[in-house]
Amino acid sequence: SQQGEEDPQALSIQEGENATMNCSYKTSINNLQWYRQNSGRGLVHLILIRSNEREKHSGRLRVTLDTSKKSSSLLITASRAADTASYFCATEQLFQGAQKLVFGQGTRLTINP
Amino acid sequence: DTAVSQTPKYLVTQMGNDKSIKCEQNLGHDTMYWYKQDSKKFLKIMFSYNNKELIINETVPNRFSPKSPDKAHLNLHINSLELGDSAVYFCASSRETTTYEQYFGPGTRLTVT
Repeated sequence: SQQGEEDPQALSIQEGENATMNCSYKTSINNLQWYRQNSGRGLVHLILIRSNEREKHSGRLRVTLDTSKKSSSLLITASRAADTASYFCATEQLFQGAQKLVFGQGTRLTINP
Repeated sequence: DTAVSQTPKYLVTQMGNDKSIKCEQNLGHDTMYWYKQDSKKFLKIMFSYNNKELIINETVPNRFSPKSPDKAHLNLHINSLELGDSAVYFCASSRETTTYEQYFGPGTRLTVT
């Protein structure tokens, strides 16, 4: 199975600015999910976008999905210090007759006060 | 109330030892998972259980043996620990095997010396 790739690997911005992270993948997918991981903690689900959807919003989060380009982006608007974390995209792929999530290596986001 | 809990949080042990990590979820989910996150934050699925039955077994050494006594528990036993087993292990659960978000535990940091 192919692992997703996130871009950039690290991003540092000022509080209040918008942060955009990108994810690319190589196989067909059922859906794509974004997760956040604070340092030393488990992953927290942010948003799920199905393969037949192009855009989804949740609060300050906006996710797009382009299945023709096999890519997705996560936009965090009006960033806050509490948004500092690693962000992972995960694609749901068929494996051994079951669905599994394949995670990218993440984008480390730092919000500077 | 903790949704997905793991014990212990930290585990330091010597090569060759056998150790277990326990996981419990109180969400009523049917599916549980074990993931391994390496030092580069790469998160990879190891096993997936649905209603106590193994449905995904990623290429994992047979020193790793998961056990699901009931739907709410998925434990991981590791025999003959090796240096390369050092990582953070995450348990997760989801409502079903597909198209649902996953809820992660806080992780168990395993250090093999």
